[in-house]
Formats: sequence, C-alpha cells, structure tokens
Amino acid sequence: AQSVTQLDSHVSVSEGTPVLLRCNYSSSYSPSLFWYVQHPNKGLQLLLKYTSAATLVKGINGFEAEFKKSETSFHLTKPSAHMSDAAEYFCVVSGDAGGTSYGKLTFGQGTILTVHP
Amino acid sequence: GAGVSQSPRYKVTKRGQDVTLRCDPISSHATLYWYQQALGQGPEFLTYFNYEAQPDKSGLPSDRFSAERPEGSISTLTIQRTEQRDSAMYRCASSLVEGGEQYFGPGTRLTVT
Repeated sequence: AQSVTQLDSHVSVSEGTPVLLRCNYSSSYSPSLFWYVQHPNKGLQLLLKYTSAATLVKGINGFEAEFKKSETSFHLTKPSAHMSDAAEYFCVVSGDAGGTSYGKLTFGQGTILTVHP
Repeated sequence: GAGVSQSPRYKVTKRGQDVTLRCDPISSHATLYWYQQALGQGPEFLTYFNYEAQPDKSGLPSDRFSAERPEGSISTLTIQRTEQRDSAMYRCASSLVEGGEQYFGPGTRLTVT
C-alpha cells in the first residue's frame, strides 16, 4: 500500500523568499504523485503532477517539484513566495496503474503555508 | 456542468439522524470519488464509481455509510444513524476516466451534534 508523509505541518515564510514544502512517499511501484492546494473555504486545486516523465515537474503559479526516487521524495518549491500562496498544501500519491482502484488518491496530512509581508 | 457541485454545502444534524449528501460531477466524467476529511487531516478515500459500478468500497468506515450512482452521473452518500465522529468535510471528485486528473467539488461540511 502507498503512503505519504509531509514532514512539516506548518511552514512560515516572508513574502519574496523561497518556499520549500517537504514530502516523502512510500510505494511498491512507480507512483503518480501530485501536489494539491486548498485555499480557505474553497475546493482542492491541482498544482502539479508527476507521472514518470520528467523528474522536474512545473505547475501553476510558479511552483515546481522534483521526483527523487533514491530519496523517495517529492518536495514542492517556489523561488519567491507571494501573499496569495498562503494556503494548505497536500502531497498525494495515486493507486497502482496496474491494480484496482487506480485513481484512488492517498493524501498526506497537509502543510499550512503562512506568508508574512 | 462547469465543475463539480455538491449539496448541501453545510449540514447540521442531530446524532442518530440519517443524512444524504449529493454530488453532481462534471458531465461526461466516468469516474466519481468520495473522500472524508476530518478537521486538520488530509482527505481519506471512501469509495468510487466507474459509471454505475462501484468497484471499491474499502474506505467506507462502517455499514452505516453507503453510496449510489444509479444512472452513472449524480451520486449520493448516505450516512445512517449519524454519530459525532462522522463530523467532517465530505468531498466529491470526478475524472474523465479512471486514473485521470480529479476535479474536486467544494465539499459538504457535516456537523453532528
């Protein structure tokens, strides 16, 4: 079974400084990995996804993530934080493409990002 | 439709009552998922449908929980004899095909008093 661990429950940065949200995964196969963002009182929005193509994945709003199989990591980064980036971020792994419940998503616990002026 | 919609957005019910939550997926999306998100946690898979078929119910917490999608479009999630521990955000998502990108609805916040 797959699992995801987000290493920080809260991250606080100043506007204009880099963002790093850490995620480690556990999977017995080559997983598909995602980052979702949840703004207050809004639905979950897909930021980016990795599906075994390029290991460096670019997403919306300037975010990117790098898949590192040797470290079983999929950390989310952004060079310069903006106030509008304040939200909760979820690292997610999907089910095995060759198995049942292929689309079943397993979410991490979430990281709340605070951006200070 | 333009996106996934869910109703009601908020539901307060007394312990022991039955509740039914509705999800209207993006039209033509074959696959529909239900997730439960407790406060301070990430969403957890409950069940999913491919059209009318329900291949996996493994995430349903107990037999008080059931879901339907009789015509392969709108789905309902019913919780019988609600308990306080059922209080959570219930999220629905749909995808064009199984394994495709999932689009989430705004969720239904259920509070059991």
